[in-house]
Amino acid sequence: EAGVAQSPRYKIIEKRQSVAFWCNPISGHATLYWYQQILGQGPKLLIQFQNNGVVDDSQLPKDRFSAERLKGVDSTLKIQPAKLEDSAVYLCASSLGPSGSYEQYFGPGTRLTVT
Amino acid sequence: AQSVTQLGSHVSVSEGALVLLRCNYSSSVPPYLFWYVQYPNQGLQLLLKYTSAATLVKGINGFEAEFKKSETSFHLTKPSAHMSDAAEYFCAVTDTGTASKLTFGTGTRLQVTL
Repeated sequence: EAGVAQSPRYKIIEKRQSVAFWCNPISGHATLYWYQQILGQGPKLLIQFQNNGVVDDSQLPKDRFSAERLKGVDSTLKIQPAKLEDSAVYLCASSLGPSGSYEQYFGPGTRLTVT
Repeated sequence: AQSVTQLGSHVSVSEGALVLLRCNYSSSVPPYLFWYVQYPNQGLQLLLKYTSAATLVKGINGFEAEFKKSETSFHLTKPSAHMSDAAEYFCAVTDTGTASKLTFGTGTRLQVTL
């Protein structure tokens, strides 16, 4: 079974530029998550999708971050414009359902460096 | 709201020694608890989870954890460390609702020495 795919793996941009990350979840997984992991910290949930609807985006900085999951499969996370403090690893995860009892499977992440 | 505290950002053990990584949680409702491992430049992998069944949970790679409600703890142990166990370990908590999010601790980096 293929795991969660993410691209690119690494990205370096200058502040005020825009960037987009892509995630392809495990086939059949209805729930998709985007996490931000700053160096030395645990992952923090940015947004959770159930199929193509948003379940929780309370910690997403909506003035600069946006995410979509068209057709309930792949998802894209965008940052525009980027700030220095956005430097982090962005992890995508998926699970069969939204309940906490379902295991979340994580992709390898995209390491973003903003200079 | 839930939270997780991991005591010790770095733990060093000798190969063959006991591994003990500490996790305490705060939750107003019965929680689900998880331990994840993260190897360099990789995503997180689930080691084990507690979902209100047996309080002693066995996971992969010889790890286990015990849920102690009276101590609000979910410490991770392994009887004998191996060099391949060197990684970052995260404890996480969620509630038992139908749409729950994981709240992670800050992580503990395990170093295994010869």
